[in-house]
Amino acid sequence: GAGVSQTPSNKVTEKGKYVELRCDPISGHTALYWYRQSLGQGPEFLIYFQGTGAADDSGLPNDRFFAVRPEGSVSTLKIQRTERGDSAVYLCASSTQTGGITEAFFGQGTRLTVV
Amino acid sequence: DAKTTQPNSMESNEEEPVHLPCNHSTISGTDYIHWYRQLPSQGPEYVIHGLTSNVNNRMASLAIAEDRKSSTLILHRATLRDAAVYYCILRRTSGTYKYIFGTGTRLKVLA
Repeated sequence: GAGVSQTPSNKVTEKGKYVELRCDPISGHTALYWYRQSLGQGPEFLIYFQGTGAADDSGLPNDRFFAVRPEGSVSTLKIQRTERGDSAVYLCASSTQTGGITEAFFGQGTRLTVV
Repeated sequence: DAKTTQPNSMESNEEEPVHLPCNHSTISGTDYIHWYRQLPSQGPEYVIHGLTSNVNNRMASLAIAEDRKSSTLILHRATLRDAAVYYCILRRTSGTYKYIFGTGTRLKVLA
């Protein structure tokens, strides 16, 4: 595809359930980022990958959140025992490298609603 | 993480220039200044970036102060499609490369 693809676009889940959010980056992009955005706020950093490894996971709020990128392409953000406070738009971005000179391309996001 | 400060909101008339300011007094010598914008219900979109010199591209211009403690994003002729939240972000060239978004400036364009 031409851009970063995130699926599903919307997800409604019950409190306490497990959810997986998928991100397909632009082909060839080695860096991949996850953010979440609450209404009226800027995107909040969660984690970024360089290749298959998590280079910085300092934004993950607690151990209910986990992300993988096993083959250095598609990434999955996993949330266990969801809480109502996890409701937000989850954004994924990718770039060719992680240096300060490159631009990141963002997907449309997955809107997660925990009821 | 180096922080940026932007006004919460600004208004502009259509077809007029818009100057969106950003303060980044704690910028380090290797930090690049990036601007992204986010249209309603969209992910953020790259606008422009620079290090020391002013930059121009098809979307906008970036004016960087000589001491690099502030910068201004310039939209030469605002259109209704430019109504968005504009984020000024510092990106490092070493260490952690994460983008740290603030709350941005919400630009309203009046017809």
